[in-house]
Amino acid sequence: DTAVSQTPKYLVTQMGNDKSIKCEQNLGHDTMYWYKQDSKKFLKIMFSYNNKELIINETVPNRFSPKSPDKAHLNLHINSLELGDSAVYFCASSPRGHNSPLHFGNGTRLTVT
Amino acid sequence: AQSVTQPDIHITVSEGASLELRCNYSYGATPYLFWYVQSPGQGLQLLLKYFSGDTLVQGIKGFEAEFKRSQSSFNLRKPSVHWSDAAEYFCAVGEETGANNLFFGTGTRLTVIP
Repeated sequence: DTAVSQTPKYLVTQMGNDKSIKCEQNLGHDTMYWYKQDSKKFLKIMFSYNNKELIINETVPNRFSPKSPDKAHLNLHINSLELGDSAVYFCASSPRGHNSPLHFGNGTRLTVT
Repeated sequence: AQSVTQPDIHITVSEGASLELRCNYSYGATPYLFWYVQSPGQGLQLLLKYFSGDTLVQGIKGFEAEFKRSQSSFNLRKPSVHWSDAAEYFCAVGEETGANNLFFGTGTRLTVIP
């Protein structure tokens, strides 16, 4: 199936740990994103990569580091996890072009205890 | 700066009734507007988008939205709601910089009662 897939679906971990979330898209899109959805459902962009190049980097702690090994993958690594990092993280992709529609993955629910 | 307001946090409608979800945006130039739907445990799916041209746009699943520049609104409508429409609905506005950075509203949760 053509899709944006992210793993894991659920991630429970303790404060201070380092964790990664993986994302892959087989839609042939040039641009990939990470969004964070908080407990009130507010959705905010964190990063955007176009052909492995960072183009959007919103105000996000340095503990969050995206890695794009190729244009089909955009992984999110988080160091020294904090309670406030608990959220649902969505990966998305879009084709080239201004304001092209986003295709979202199903999200990774991160719980930091 | 761009912003999106969805005034209704939660709406309940009966199956078969009509639906209108409100969205107001703030943007200095011509907005790029979107409606997305999120079912429980799922990612967001695009319902429809407006860039230019006809101010009434048709989307998937029988939804439509009307762009009204004078009211800075982009309300989503459906003539007859189905139980499967129960979900969270997000309005979003895009900017002109080309960076493809969408600003989302806080969502409206739709409950459909039989």
